Amino acid sequence: AQSVAQPEDQVNVAEGNPLTVKCTYSVSGNPYLFWYVQYPNRGLQFLLKYITGDNLVKGSYGFEAEFNKSQTSFHLKKPSALVSDSALYFCAVRVFGNAGNMLTFGGGTRLMVKP
Amino acid sequence: KAGVTQTPRYLIKTRGQQVTLSCSPISGHRSVSWYQQTPGQGLQFLFEYFSETQRNKGNFPGRFSGRQFSNSRSEMNVSTLELGDSALYLCASSLAQTENTEAFFGQGTRLTVV
Repeated sequence: AQSVAQPEDQVNVAEGNPLTVKCTYSVSGNPYLFWYVQYPNRGLQFLLKYITGDNLVKGSYGFEAEFNKSQTSFHLKKPSALVSDSALYFCAVRVFGNAGNMLTFGGGTRLMVKP
Repeated sequence: KAGVTQTPRYLIKTRGQQVTLSCSPISGHRSVSWYQQTPGQGLQFLFEYFSETQRNKGNFPGRFSGRQFSNSRSEMNVSTLELGDSALYLCASSLAQTENTEAFFGQGTRLTVV
């Protein structure tokens, strides 16, 4: 069975500082990894995905994520946080060979960016 | 290009009733998945449809069911509602049924069972 862990319920960062939202995964095959963001009373918005190749993936709104196979991690990063980045962030995994589009999500991390 | 549309946005139902939620995927997308989001359980997969066929089902009781129509629109139904069914129900559509395809989510239907 596959699982995703987001060890921090909340991350606080000052505007302009770099941010990191952590994600680790556990799968029995090669993972496809995704990050989504959710604003209040909204659905999930796709940020970026790792499929294969370069371990550093760039996505929407200046976000990027680093895939580390040995540490089974896929941390979300941004060099300079904005107040408007404050939201709920979800990491998700899908395993190659698992037919279909079922995503397994982490519990979410609330990002608070203070002015 | 229109996104994923879910209707209604909000619902209040009484215990024991049934409810039907609707999802219209992005034009051209043939895969539709449903998720339940609650503060306690987080995001949990309900089921997925592709070309009118249910391809995957999550660990939910039989009271939860769904279907997909030939135009890829999907509905999910919950019968004999319980208080614990109160949640945000999210629909996601994907262009294809491949593992590397991202899913695009609707704004959700907020169901409250009283």
